[in-house]
Amino acid sequence: AIQMTQSPSSLSASVGDRVTITCRASQGIRSDLGWYQQKPGKAPKFLVYAASSLQSGVPSRFSGSGSGTDFTLTISSLQPEDFATYYCLQYNNYPLTFGGGTKVE
Amino acid sequence: EVQLVESGGGLVQPGGSLRLSCEVSEFTFSRYWMTWVRQAPGKGLEWVANIKEDGTEKNYVDSVKGRFTISRDNAKNSLYLQMNSLRAEDTAVYYCARTLTYGFDYWGQGTLLTVSS
Repeated sequence: AIQMTQSPSSLSASVGDRVTITCRASQGIRSDLGWYQQKPGKAPKFLVYAASSLQSGVPSRFSGSGSGTDFTLTISSLQPEDFATYYCLQYNNYPLTFGGGTKVE
Repeated sequence: EVQLVESGGGLVQPGGSLRLSCEVSEFTFSRYWMTWVRQAPGKGLEWVANIKEDGTEKNYVDSVKGRFTISRDNAKNSLYLQMNSLRAEDTAVYYCARTLTYGFDYWGQGTLLTVSS
């Protein structure tokens, strides 16, 4: 199975900060990567697909980049509603695998 | 508004069985792959299984192969997960999700399965 390693596992940030989360795949996955946001007690929300495409309705302060094995999710100016845990997901190969998560607090 | 509603969770003894359901509305269920994702208490997300639109293709994570069976009834707009030989490590919130080629765009609220004696 492809291992997805996210870093950091948690970070402390303030409103207005630029936040960057990274995800590394154990083998190349082209751009078959998505990002999800999850708040406590809630289902995940779909943010980014194909490494850099924003899902409909997602604010433009979110952006994704990368291909192959290294990917990033960037929040250009952190808003109060962005405090959450973020997960990457590779869908290049079965089994699909999530990263371990990054808690933004 | 697209809705997915899971049900069937509860407390089960190790070795027991349970079937989860996911009833959907406001989209054409038969046109979409569907997926189950789980989350153990305080842990991250884990992809469990998915199923093709017509049910002819199914995929599973290794840890549930031979124990879990994903199925669907397109006439009832429903997705199922039959879980047998349950273990403590299967304890989790189980989510169903509408599946695109590139991700999961709608999720249910989740149903909690607890495996404990």
